Amino acid sequence: DSGVTQTPKHLITATGQRVTLRCSPRSGDLSVYWYQQSLDQGLQFLIQYYNGEERAKGNILERFSAQQFPDLHSELNLSSLELGDSALYFCASSVAFTSPTGELFFGEGSRLTVL
Amino acid sequence: AQKVTQAQTEISVVEKEDVTLDCVYETRDTTYYLFWYKQPPSGELVFLIRRNSFDEQNEISGRYSWNFQKSTSSFNFTITASQVVDSAVYFCALSGIQGAQKLVFGQGTRLTINP
Repeated sequence: DSGVTQTPKHLITATGQRVTLRCSPRSGDLSVYWYQQSLDQGLQFLIQYYNGEERAKGNILERFSAQQFPDLHSELNLSSLELGDSALYFCASSVAFTSPTGELFFGEGSRLTVL
Repeated sequence: AQKVTQAQTEISVVEKEDVTLDCVYETRDTTYYLFWYKQPPSGELVFLIRRNSFDEQNEISGRYSWNFQKSTSSFNFTITASQVVDSAVYFCALSGIQGAQKLVFGQGTRLTINP
């Protein structure tokens, strides 16, 4: 158990809909990262927040947005969903802005299926 | 641009055999970090090792060992005397000087250890 909690674990929805994925980082971790794992694109970095502020952006679509709240939990919002958005979405956390050991603690992921 | 290539999509061996997972990377950074993560059937990503570009010493941890060769831009992972519990997808990853931020993952190698 990494200590990172993601909900929901599974989500099935239809094209055009909007969903929110939630992540609670490990206790004491200030950085939250979101990654997408899909069959065609593999594991891709989406976005990072540190103590409530966006710190780095990767291949995140404009239809997607994220935020980190004062209690440090984070939410990833996916809107106008397309079939290609079906993927496993991982949240990870680390103590610092940049993890000195390089160790990100990953949650078990939220599997999104868009029908 | 940074890139990680894991040419072996799937490997299947019999228990107790040794197995090596290949990882080749591309980066223009002079300082960078290399990682291996394990994704067991449960789905979460488990950190195995981090190496920085200035440390070419090989590392051994129990049955696991890693061979970092800057000259060939490779960071290979060997499991000695494999066990069924080693069955998982293994990812090699690369990041720049900012540590764990923006990890660039390879496509992963699915390792199956047969009894």
